[in-house]
Amino acid sequence: TQLLEQSPQFLSIQEGENLTVYCNSSSVFSSLQWYRQEPGEGPVLLVTVVTGGEVKKLKRLTFQFGDARKDSSLHITAAQPGDTGLYLCAGLQSYNNNDMRFGAGTRLTVKP
Amino acid sequence: DTGVSQNPRHKITKRGQNVTFRCDPISEHNRLYWYRQTLGQGPEFLTYFQNEAQLEKSRLLSDRFSAERPKGSFSTLEIQRTEQGDSAMYLCASSLGGASNQPQHFGDGTRLSIL
Repeated sequence: TQLLEQSPQFLSIQEGENLTVYCNSSSVFSSLQWYRQEPGEGPVLLVTVVTGGEVKKLKRLTFQFGDARKDSSLHITAAQPGDTGLYLCAGLQSYNNNDMRFGAGTRLTVKP
Repeated sequence: DTGVSQNPRHKITKRGQNVTFRCDPISEHNRLYWYRQTLGQGPEFLTYFQNEAQLEKSRLLSDRFSAERPKGSFSTLEIQRTEQGDSAMYLCASSLGGASNQPQHFGDGTRLSIL
């Protein structure tokens, strides 16, 4: 079983729609990162959240870290085809800042 | 380009051969990480270095795998006697220290295919 469960696994939507993807765990994390990965490339960092309840905005993307630092969500407003990609969450465990664990990702397709 | 650089980008080899990958981290980053990613999965941690010291290894890193970072700058990952199950994308990342707010920045990986 994955330490971080991401849902949904796949999401296909039309341009202009809003969406939310989730990253859940029973473990507490000292921080959580969201990455986007395109085929044949490495993950690209989008945001790091550190404080429970923290909300960060990056243009049309809104990231939230749960109060208990066990889960996170990513909300995209008015999705565009350029948002297509694999969205990965990764958590640094509270007892071991060297061990970053990834979820399996949500593969998003935004159709024009 | 001052990002993390990995080469080769692709490696195709026959089962049983040895392969070596190289990673050049962001220059001021003292931490360097290796991950493996298979299709449909997120990256899995293999090992990490603080400067030249290898401080942690995952149980995924069998004795056929060895990693070095001799001068605390670039790193190499060698796989001996490759097996078909070694086919994957091997990703390198670097960070400035290990604090929870110091994110890891990834290279574009080396895709290994074992025939």
